[in-house]
Amino acid sequence: LAKTTQPISMDSYEGQEVNITCSHNNIATNDYITWYQQFPSQGPRFIIQGYKTKVTNEVASLFIPADRKSSTLSLPRVSLSDTAVYYCLVGDGGPGNNRKLIWGLGTSLAVNP
Amino acid sequence: EPEVTQTPSHQVTQMGQEVILRCVPISNHLYFYWYRQILGQKVEFLVSFYNNEISEKSEIFDDQFSVERPDGSNFTLKIRSTKLEDSAMYFCASSEYVGSGELFFGEGSRLTVL
Repeated sequence: LAKTTQPISMDSYEGQEVNITCSHNNIATNDYITWYQQFPSQGPRFIIQGYKTKVTNEVASLFIPADRKSSTLSLPRVSLSDTAVYYCLVGDGGPGNNRKLIWGLGTSLAVNP
Repeated sequence: EPEVTQTPSHQVTQMGQEVILRCVPISNHLYFYWYRQILGQKVEFLVSFYNNEISEKSEIFDDQFSVERPDGSNFTLKIRSTKLEDSAMYFCASSEYVGSGELFFGEGSRLTVL
């Protein structure tokens, strides 16, 4: 299973774009990269998933360079409600094999007024 | 929007007691999971369940743990004889099919073992 490395914490201000980078040097050919968000005392919530290049949805963008050894979650114009922990996960063999994903401590994002 | 629901939201029990945590996955989902998160620590995979049997389980999921889907809607996690270290938030999750990268998590059940 690929191990991921993320910053433990980040600070930002309302209205700014936030980029959280995750390193996954041992990513396998079939692995996908998935990001989840977790608020205190709540279950994680899926944000976005990608394999290569760029993926965008209504919430975020995910940038993955050609070597796929890292990825960057981009949150445009954050608000106070984006204060949460963000987890980067690398799948063990494809988008369905997230059953045994290893969750790190994530990145604790604090958005300030 | 469909959601995964879990009960109870919080349970306090004495060490050695049996606990059953209940989950109602999203109705058209076929794959079900239990995770746990000790306060301030990582989310840990416990078990996955498909077609009425365990697909995978972690080393945490020992003989004290069991899962079942007794009536086609509820998905339960049973801890036979709780230990202090079982105190954690337990999350149920479901996905529509194995090819889906998106897990839908419930709000969790907080278990406190005294």
